[in-house]
Amino acid sequence: QSALTQPASVSGSPGQSITISCTGTSSDVGNYNYVSWYQQHPGKAPKLMIYDVSNRPSGVSNRFSGSKSGSTASLTISGLQAEDEADYYCNSYTGSSPLYVFGTGTKVTVL
Amino acid sequence: EVQLVQSGAEVKEPGESLKISCKDSGYSFTTYWIAWVRQMPGKGLEWMGIINPSNSDTRYSPSFQGQVTISADNSITTAYLQWSSLKASDTAMYYCARRISSTGAPFEYWGQGTLVTVSS
Repeated sequence: QSALTQPASVSGSPGQSITISCTGTSSDVGNYNYVSWYQQHPGKAPKLMIYDVSNRPSGVSNRFSGSKSGSTASLTISGLQAEDEADYYCNSYTGSSPLYVFGTGTKVTVL
Repeated sequence: EVQLVQSGAEVKEPGESLKISCKDSGYSFTTYWIAWVRQMPGKGLEWMGIINPSNSDTRYSPSFQGQVTISADNSITTAYLQWSSLKASDTAMYYCARRISSTGAPFEYWGQGTLVTVSS
């Protein structure tokens, strides 16, 4: 099971919207609605931002939204803010071994 | 407030053994599964494996099977990740993360990370 594929970097100006893609296969993203997204600031632990494709945990800004089409999931950040500058990782349940797989990670830069 | 508190940074030599810990301060430790995630310097997150503390059911990623051992002690609500013979390539930050006992559940809470450095 290979890592899910994400763009290495995405950038945008404050106030803009950006979208990060996460491409898997029919064995993971394409087969389950158990896709989650994690934000990681430098030197910090990851933080759950989206789960089950499009659900936000309590306390996460509604500027973050998720979706999925086929074997590709997406995270959209609208109204980009300086504090959104971080690394973002998608994750999918696979139902087999390994039970979960992470994406390659995307560095978001706020210009 | 749920907290996963990990043991402190370790510096070891190749060939040495190591066991790092992750203490869950929340309630109902056996209701949740604990996973371990590796992050090598400057690299991405890698899912290593997961344990169900209620019955010690453990699933490993093929990449880590046989390389590490995941265990848990319910009496002290603590999960462990251990190595019998460290290699320089084990140098990384290791995170524990908790999910509810539901298929495909996300990792809602994370420990602060334990930095393991293996060098001669």
